Amino acid sequence: DTGVSQDPRHKITKRGQNVTFRCDPISEHNRLYWYRQTLGQGPEFLTYFQNEAQLEKSRLLSDRFSAERPKGSFSTLEIQRTEQGDSAMYLCASSSIGTNQPQHFGDGTRLSIL
Amino acid sequence: AQTVTQSQPEMSVQEAETVTLSCTYDTSESDYYLFWYKQPPSRQMILVIRQEAYKQQNATENRFSVNFQKAAKSFSLKISDSQLGDAAMYFCAYRGPGGSQGNLIFGKGTKLSVKP
Repeated sequence: DTGVSQDPRHKITKRGQNVTFRCDPISEHNRLYWYRQTLGQGPEFLTYFQNEAQLEKSRLLSDRFSAERPKGSFSTLEIQRTEQGDSAMYLCASSSIGTNQPQHFGDGTRLSIL
Repeated sequence: AQTVTQSQPEMSVQEAETVTLSCTYDTSESDYYLFWYKQPPSRQMILVIRQEAYKQQNATENRFSVNFQKAAKSFSLKISDSQLGDAAMYFCAYRGPGGSQGNLIFGKGTKLSVKP
């Protein structure tokens, strides 16, 4: 059973640099979600895709953030001009379409801004 | 806006004993879904149990059960016969009705320690 895969597991970068994360969902899942989790908090929703269409974006997703899912399979999340406040765990989840389908999470990418 | 509140930042339980984690939520919807997720240290989040709001019967999954009180907007998790492997952060999450985007709204979590 191949679950949700995220790469890299940990990214350390200097403030002002651009970073890109990748998420490979469970293959048959149409929906893909990005969340951000800071220390001591629960995950917060960033954006979600149904197939290749980005259907919802949170107010947390500033102009420096962009997400894509070009062929409805894997997704990338890019942060431009990183800031200290971007330090967090970025979680990806996927699910089937359906009102009660659970979301399956990846291990996350931990971003540390120096 | 919907909110989820977990009022217990940390809980501790003796191995083999029972512990209950609390969760309350706020919504104006009548149809929604509630979840408990477990996040072990440095490991991925795993679904523990889920409850559909239209179902009156409380969900159970082996040693895990919920007490869903819709009128009180309360959704507590009971772990019976606690095991060392149950030690983790536990997050309560809400999801809106069908037709919404389906993103989860999480509480801040409860850190559960299990003492041998």
